[in-house]
Amino acid sequence: DAGVTQSPTHLIKTRGQQVTLRCSPKSGHDTVSWYQQALGQGPQFIFQYYEEEERQRGNFPDRFSGHQFPNYSSELNVNALLLGDSALYLCASSLRGNSYNSPLHFGNGTRLTVT
Amino acid sequence: GENVEQHPSTLSVQEGDSAVIKCTYSDSASNYFPWYKQELGKGPQLIIDIRSNVGEKKDQRIAVTLNKTAKHFSLHITETQPEDSAVYFCAARAPYGSGNTGKLIFGQGTTLQVKP
Repeated sequence: DAGVTQSPTHLIKTRGQQVTLRCSPKSGHDTVSWYQQALGQGPQFIFQYYEEEERQRGNFPDRFSGHQFPNYSSELNVNALLLGDSALYLCASSLRGNSYNSPLHFGNGTRLTVT
Repeated sequence: GENVEQHPSTLSVQEGDSAVIKCTYSDSASNYFPWYKQELGKGPQLIIDIRSNVGEKKDQRIAVTLNKTAKHFSLHITETQPEDSAVYFCAARAPYGSGNTGKLIFGQGTTLQVKP
């Protein structure tokens, strides 16, 4: 049973560039959430996708956008990268279905470094 | 706004001793409290969770207690082992509704070191 998989594992970009991170949810899950984890901090919620729509958004600028595909996989896009965007980006999946009580399962993240 | 405070930030114990990590939350509507373990280079792994209708939950050497009145919850690890060394995060989630679809608010993390 495959868990949450993310690609790439590491990425180095230059300030001002754009980046796309990818996530495949755990088998059987239909909801994907993205979190940003700065060094030494807890993860911070970026947004959640369900049925290919953004359902909830955290306190992040419009430079952060996402997409969910019919197979439940998801992408996180960040435009006009800033040095402060350097962080570990975590994807988490859950099963929404008829229950809102599903635990969140995380992938190992993508380490983004902006120079 | 929503906030979860976690203490201590670092904790060092001898192998076999117990470790306790405490969290307080600000949103009294929160009803789900998971704990995650994060090892170096990996994502957070769910180790135990508790819902607001339960005061205590145990799974082998790990237990979590919840005090809704005081808005705090704690993780207890007994008979610690070197492989328990990691960063532990608590989190809180408000009920679905009013635009909330399940985001977790995380604490700042506790680095646990278990000395052999």
